[in-house]
Formats: sequence, structure tokens, C-alpha cells
Amino acid sequence: AQKVTQAQTEISVVEKEDVTLDCVYETRDTTYYLFWYKQPPSGELVFLIRRNSFDEQNEISGRYSWNFQKSTSSFNFTITASQVVDSAVYFCALSGTQKLVFGQGTRLTINP
Amino acid sequence: GAVVSQHPSWVICKSGTSVKIECRSLDFQATTMFWYRQFPKQSLMLMATSNEGSKATYEQGVEKDKFLINHASLTLSTLTVTSAHPEDSSFYICSASTGGPFFPQHFGDGTRLSIL
Repeated sequence: AQKVTQAQTEISVVEKEDVTLDCVYETRDTTYYLFWYKQPPSGELVFLIRRNSFDEQNEISGRYSWNFQKSTSSFNFTITASQVVDSAVYFCALSGTQKLVFGQGTRLTINP
Repeated sequence: GAVVSQHPSWVICKSGTSVKIECRSLDFQATTMFWYRQFPKQSLMLMATSNEGSKATYEQGVEKDKFLINHASLTLSTLTVTSAHPEDSSFYICSASTGGPFFPQHFGDGTRLSIL
């Protein structure tokens, strides 16, 4: 069975601080994909990144970076120099040979 | 690119009525569409997967007669909540993909359904 755990239910930081959102997953599939989605207060889900199980290179996109460590089954997401507009619920998700499974989400609040 | 439109965004109706929600992929052909349900402050739960031209595959515990899904074309899927009751009130989100589970799903803006 597939499972995604986001242990941090809520995080609150002051603007310009760096913040890391943790994601730990479980799967028996050897080939799988990991995703991060952002859900702002308006409700829509915004796709942020997809990473396949064979590519452990870290990725940076502007202020966003992702650290994939297969050895610890983790796919953490870091926002540097956070901004108020980053406030949202962030979901980590896993897709193997079956359906896309979401974690419980981390509610991130960036205070001015 | 990869825009998914979901309509309506908000609906309030009386108990016993049926509600239809549309999900359209605007700039790509979606071989697969998904319907999720999200309760307040909770994660997304997959309700069903639909492939164009074939019957939807429902997740365990989802009543197929209550939640009718039609995927008539590569750009349109509909979810009809039949004889809706207050417990059906929720946030429903559709997504569309050009392939199987390895392909990113692009989500609609969601529909807030309130049954009085």
C-alpha cells in the first residue's frame, strides 16, 4: 500500500524566513513519482514539481527547492526567503502503479 | 498550458435535488480524469477515475449510483451527485491527465457544494 506522511500539520513563520516542509512516503513500487501541490485559500491545486524514483537530484526553482532522499524515503520542500503569498496548504503526493495518494497537507502561514 | 476548468465553482441546493459538475481540459486532451472529494482541513480523497469512452472506476466506499460520472470526450467529464443530501456537502475537485498515474494531474478550481 502507498502512504504519504506530512508530519507538520501547521507551520507559521515570519516573512523572509526559510521554511522546510517534510514529506515521508511508503511504497513497494520500484518505479514511482513524487509530487508537490500548493492549495491557496481559493481552493485550486497548483502543480509545483514531479520527481521520479530514479532521479535523486535535488531541484531548485527560484525560491523553491526540493530534496529527494530515497534512503530515507523523504521528499522535502524548502522555501527560502518566504513571502506572504506563499501562505497556503501544501500537499505532497505519491503515484506508483496505482492512484495518486496525497499526504494530509501542511498549512503554511507566512506572517508579515 | 494544461488548464482545467471546473464549473460551477459554488452551488447551494435543496436536499433531494441532483447536481451536475463539469470538468473540462481547455488546452489538452485528457485521456484520464479524476474526481476527488475534500472535507474541510483534510486531504483529497480519490472518488473515481474515468477514461474517455469507458465506465468510471470507483474507489472502495464510493457509491456509483450516488455519484454518476460520465467522460464523454477527451476534454469533458461530468460528476452528477444524485438526490443530494446534507452529508454530500463538500469540496469536489476534478483533475485531468494525458496519461497514467505517472503523469502530473492538472486540477480544476473545485466546486463547493452545499446541500440544505
